[in-house]
Amino acid sequence: EPEVTQTPSHQVTQMGQEVILRCVPISNHLYFYWYRQILGQKVEFLVSFYNNEISEKSEIFDDQFSVERPDGSNFTLKIRSTKLEDSAMYFCASSERGGGNTIYFGEGSWLTVV
Amino acid sequence: AQSVSQHNHHVILSEAASLELGCNYSYGGTVNLFWYVQYPGQHLQLLLKYFSGDPLVKGIKGFEAEFIKSKFSFNLRKPSVQWSDTAEYFCAVNTSPGRRALTFGSGTRLQVQP
Repeated sequence: EPEVTQTPSHQVTQMGQEVILRCVPISNHLYFYWYRQILGQKVEFLVSFYNNEISEKSEIFDDQFSVERPDGSNFTLKIRSTKLEDSAMYFCASSERGGGNTIYFGEGSWLTVV
Repeated sequence: AQSVSQHNHHVILSEAASLELGCNYSYGGTVNLFWYVQYPGQHLQLLLKYFSGDPLVKGIKGFEAEFIKSKFSFNLRKPSVQWSDTAEYFCAVNTSPGRRALTFGSGTRLQVQP
């Protein structure tokens, strides 16, 4: 079964550093997403991306965050200047279509900001 | 904006016991409903989904859920749990048409004792 893959699985970074989390969505999918889960809390939506632009974003997705699809396969989340509270599991996801179509999640990237 | 409530935060059952996890959502329009499972150390996997039609949906691993529109509920059930069902279970919703991003509940940690 096709999978969403993410790298790195775990990254430790110092506060203020830039971090790029990478994702390879399922190949025929058109919608891409980033979610995050702070330890012990619920999974929260960050951003969705379609047709090379952000289609939706949450209040969490402020100016320190950006997303990019640099080539035909990768989808990245950049955090420009990390803060302690950015420590979380970041999940990439993709779907064939928006709306009710099933969203498939990757295994997540643990980000620890120290 | 929609929201999802899962009132059971931690459930402990013995093997072969029956399971019902509650999920209620708030949204006045048409919704798509999902249950995801997260096994320890793994990514979110789709258990089942409801878009339209028969309100009783069957998913993988013997799980089912019933959509009761009048109660804004989508409870997850399994007649007989196994130790391998130990995991965290998340209810999620998105709207159709409209917001594609999933809104998750806070999750229910299920612990099945052998």
